[in-house]
Amino acid sequence: KNEVEQSPQNLTAQEGEFITINCSYSVGISALHWLQQHPGGGIVSLFMLSSGKKKHGRLIATINIQEKHSSLHITASHPRDSAVYICAASYFGNEKLTFGTGTRLTIIP
Amino acid sequence: DAGITQSPRHKVTETGTPVTLRCHQTENHRYMYWYRQDPGHGLRLIHYSYGVKDTDKGEVSDGYSVSRSKTEDFLLTLESATSSQTSVYFCAISGVRTEAFFGQGTRLTVV
Repeated sequence: KNEVEQSPQNLTAQEGEFITINCSYSVGISALHWLQQHPGGGIVSLFMLSSGKKKHGRLIATINIQEKHSSLHITASHPRDSAVYICAASYFGNEKLTFGTGTRLTIIP
Repeated sequence: DAGITQSPRHKVTETGTPVTLRCHQTENHRYMYWYRQDPGHGLRLIHYSYGVKDTDKGEVSDGYSVSRSKTEDFLLTLESATSSQTSVYFCAISGVRTEAFFGQGTRLTVV
């Protein structure tokens, strides 16, 4: 069974802290997605990656294929980063997305 | 922004009535999905489509049906709405190794 596990479920941090959210998955993914959902809001794609590392502003996503693990990092966190972050995987032979349960991030000013 | 729209955005309906939600894309993506999002459950897949007239069930498909007669439209139907189907419904599109894009969501209340 293709599964995606995220940790932590909840994370509270002070403004300015470095944030890491983790995602582990089964073998054979074709792509790993990081998504963001603000309270009461829609779902936005942050990254899609199948190898290496991607950076967009203060957000960095990495993936380690051998360890079946991906991380989302936020540098210099800000209260506007408060949201639910979701990782999702698509697998070779079945491209439908399998979601993790999400990480609720709260950044305190 | 990716071209994906959901309609309606909000709906209140009575138990036992049929309801259809529409997802429309202009990206020509192969895969289209319907999810529901409920507190404590995250996103759960209802049905998905991998091409015109090609659909398959997700993990919470009971009570729902879908149709895709054109690449750009994916309809979700609740044949006889129940209170347990009160939820926020999201449509999404993706291709092979492409980003996933989500609609704005439909808040459905069954009274």
